[in-house]
Amino acid sequence: AQTVTQSQPEMSVQEAETVTLSCTYDTSESDYYLFWYKQPPSRQMILVIRQEAYKQQNATENRFSVNFQKAAKSFSLKISDSQLGDAAMYFCAYRSYAGNQFYFGTGTSLTVIP
Amino acid sequence: DAGVIQSPRHEVTEMGQEVTLRCKPISGHDYLFWYRQTMMRGLELLIYFNNNVPIDDSGMPEDRFSAKMPNASFSTLKIQPSEPRDSAVYFCASSSRRGGGFTEAFFGQGTRLTVV
Repeated sequence: AQTVTQSQPEMSVQEAETVTLSCTYDTSESDYYLFWYKQPPSRQMILVIRQEAYKQQNATENRFSVNFQKAAKSFSLKISDSQLGDAAMYFCAYRSYAGNQFYFGTGTSLTVIP
Repeated sequence: DAGVIQSPRHEVTEMGQEVTLRCKPISGHDYLFWYRQTMMRGLELLIYFNNNVPIDDSGMPEDRFSAKMPNASFSTLKIQPSEPRDSAVYFCASSSRRGGGFTEAFFGQGTRLTVV
């Protein structure tokens, strides 16, 4: 089974600064999807960004961007101009192109300091 | 679309009682997942369905847990009898295949279960 590793249980960032959350995964597949989800205190799981492995270009969504390194099996999330509302738990997730279930990391708790 | 709908939002029950959690996936989605979230174990996949058929239930912790999907718009997760260690947030999520690939999982708001 695929595994997803988030090695940073907790991170903090000053408001308006930039922070990068790390994620690595283990797979033998060539086609797959990667996701970052945000879970604020409301506990709702919200999709932040997705990346298809066959795309070389890194995905971006406003202040959120990823650094996808396929050979290194790394998928980090960069949050620019951090805002207080970005404070949440962030989960990295993997899904194979032909497969079914999602594999989630253990999460990184992000604190934004005013 | 209203998104994935779970009920109840909160459930407090006594040990030994039966608990039923409910989920309505997004219309047109053919995959449905049940997850359990705890501080100690994070997000655990319990079971998932494809076209109403259970595909993998290896994450169901014990025979006390069962899940059904009688039709494309409804699923239940039942715990009988419940135990304090079942206390957790239970999420339902749905997904579909789009353009040959899979979309992300759309999550409900979860059910916080407390067994006393």
